Amino acid sequence: AQSVTQPDIHITVSEGASLELRCNYSYGATPYLFWYVQSPGQGLQLLLKYFSGDTLVQGIKGFEAEFKRSQSSFNLRKPSVHWSDAAEYFCAVGAGTASKLTFGTGTRLQVTL
Amino acid sequence: NAGVTQTPKFQVLKTGQSMTLQCAQDMNHEYMSWYRQDPGMGLRLIHYSVGAGITDQGEVPNGYNVSRSTTEDFPLRLLSAAPSQTSVYFCASGRTGDSYNEQFFGPGTRLTVL
Repeated sequence: AQSVTQPDIHITVSEGASLELRCNYSYGATPYLFWYVQSPGQGLQLLLKYFSGDTLVQGIKGFEAEFKRSQSSFNLRKPSVHWSDAAEYFCAVGAGTASKLTFGTGTRLQVTL
Repeated sequence: NAGVTQTPKFQVLKTGQSMTLQCAQDMNHEYMSWYRQDPGMGLRLIHYSVGAGITDQGEVPNGYNVSRSTTEDFPLRLLSAAPSQTSVYFCASGRTGDSYNEQFFGPGTRLTVL
């Protein structure tokens, strides 16, 4: 069975600073990887996804993520954080054709001005 | 397209009461699923369906029932609510096929069981 680990429960960065959120996955075959963002009281918004091909994927809101098979990682990055990026971020892995997603426990991002 | 819709948005129940959370999608997706979100635990799969008449259990199915009579609808039933079922519930839908297909999430239902 697949699993996802987000080792950082809470991260605080200053506005304008760079950001990297960590995600490690466990899955026996080629994974399908996702990053979602959730603002307080809101639903899930897909930031980006990796299915195959180029290991550096671009998403919405200036986010990108890099798939590293050797490290079983799919870290999310942003060069310059905005105050509006404060939210909770979830990494997820999809498996097979059943479309089931396994989520990490999330990382809450706080942005200081 | 409305995408994935969920009703109600908020609900308060007393222990032992029953209710149904509604989920509908208008994208003709074969796959539908229910997740619950609890603080510090991410989202966990409750039940899923790969088509009308076909359902299966996810990671945390106890206390919940589902059925899939149409492609569009996938209701989640709580037969006897318990405080441990206080959570935010998300419905999702997606295509099935030869490879993984992206899922689309509804806005969620916030349930409190007293």
